[in-house]
Amino acid sequence: QKEVEQNSGPLSVPEGAIASLNCTYSDRVSQSFFWYRQYSGKSPELIMSIYSNGDKEDGRFTAQLNKASQYVSLLIRDSQPSDSATYLCAVNGDSDFNKFYFGSGTKLNVKP
Amino acid sequence: ETGVTQTPRHLVMGMTNKKSLKCEQHLGHNAMYWYKQSAKKPLELMFVYNFKEQTENNSVPSRFSPECPNSSHLFLHLHTLQPEDSALYLCASSQDHRRDRGFEKLFFGSGTQLSVL
Repeated sequence: QKEVEQNSGPLSVPEGAIASLNCTYSDRVSQSFFWYRQYSGKSPELIMSIYSNGDKEDGRFTAQLNKASQYVSLLIRDSQPSDSATYLCAVNGDSDFNKFYFGSGTKLNVKP
Repeated sequence: ETGVTQTPRHLVMGMTNKKSLKCEQHLGHNAMYWYKQSAKKPLELMFVYNFKEQTENNSVPSRFSPECPNSSHLFLHLHTLQPEDSALYLCASSQDHRRDRGFEKLFFGSGTQLSVL
């Protein structure tokens, strides 16, 4: 069974700080990695994807991937109260590319 | 509003009822999915369809019956459900099959919040 692990939180950070969200996965052959944001009562929304080791930046968001250690992280710079949501980590295999495995999510609270 | 539309948004049903959830995607994708989201649990993949063909049934009980008449529409037929089936049911789609990085991203609908009494 492929597993994706996340700390459920809540992670509380003050406005303007950097929020760091972490995710580990069990399947070494995983190839694609995603971060989804889910506001309460809403559906998940894709915010970042990463495929290669290293960092990928998009605005205030930076995704980091380390395949050797099997972890992927999301950094949110200059956190805003509107970033308060649950962040879901998802991984996608190589041979079973239709299967996306999700973590249970980390709840982030950004305090004004 | 996203390119994936789900109806109804909320559904309350008794254990003896029969109901259907509907999903339509306007993104030109060719893969569609049903996911179940329960409180404090990871999203659970239920079914996957590629070009209208079912490619994944993740050991889902037979009281859930999917139907995919074409690449744009997906249904989930429900009958004799149990209270533990109460959850948020999410439909998703992706541009699939080419396996090029960047084409396998999931786009979700708004979900159907299902309550089984």
